[in-house]
Amino acid sequence: QKEVEQDPGPLSVPEGAIVSLNCTYSNSAFQYFMWYRQYSRKGPELLMYTYSSGNKEDGRFTAQVDKSSKYISLFIRDSQPSDSATYLCATSTNYQKVTFGIGTKLQVIP
Amino acid sequence: EPEVTQTPSHQVTQMGQEVILRCVPISNHLYFYWYRQILGQKVEFLVSFYNNEISEKSEIFDDQFSVERPDGSNFTLKIRSTKLEDSAMYFCASRISNNQPQHFGDGTRLSIL
Repeated sequence: QKEVEQDPGPLSVPEGAIVSLNCTYSNSAFQYFMWYRQYSRKGPELLMYTYSSGNKEDGRFTAQVDKSSKYISLFIRDSQPSDSATYLCATSTNYQKVTFGIGTKLQVIP
Repeated sequence: EPEVTQTPSHQVTQMGQEVILRCVPISNHLYFYWYRQILGQKVEFLVSFYNNEISEKSEIFDDQFSVERPDGSNFTLKIRSTKLEDSAMYFCASRISNNQPQHFGDGTRLSIL
């Protein structure tokens, strides 16, 4: 069983739509949860991070973690063409070794 | 905003040659990492480094790999005898302390011929 599973997409949405990106994980020891954004030929850029279950909001982005179902979500409100990128969910037991999903490729169409 | 910088952006090397990938972590960060991403695959952990020693390494990080912090600013990954399957993007990351996430550089694309 893969440690972090993520639909690779691609996901195409019209500008202004609400985007929902999701991951599941298998290791109950994971306590730290992150979302990174990766543009083509660039490194992962940290978007959001959270510890344990709950919601965290930052501008147009909301991260949700449900540890009981091992489910991680990222919501993007009022999506913009500049949000077009690959979104990587990531988990860790202690922010040391980070385990990544494959990434979901998002395209926001003007 | 401070960032992790990596050089070169692209390295082409003949199979069997040694290669050194270089990273300058964010200046006040204490924990350093290398990851790799083979084309179309996940970003994979290679090694973590703290207080001048390896704290954790993956199965990928075999005897052909080594890391070093030769001075107060650089962090390097050496591959002793490169193989075709070492072709990948290599990312350096750093973090400041416990309970803080890692920040990544833009990577070095390593092509083995």
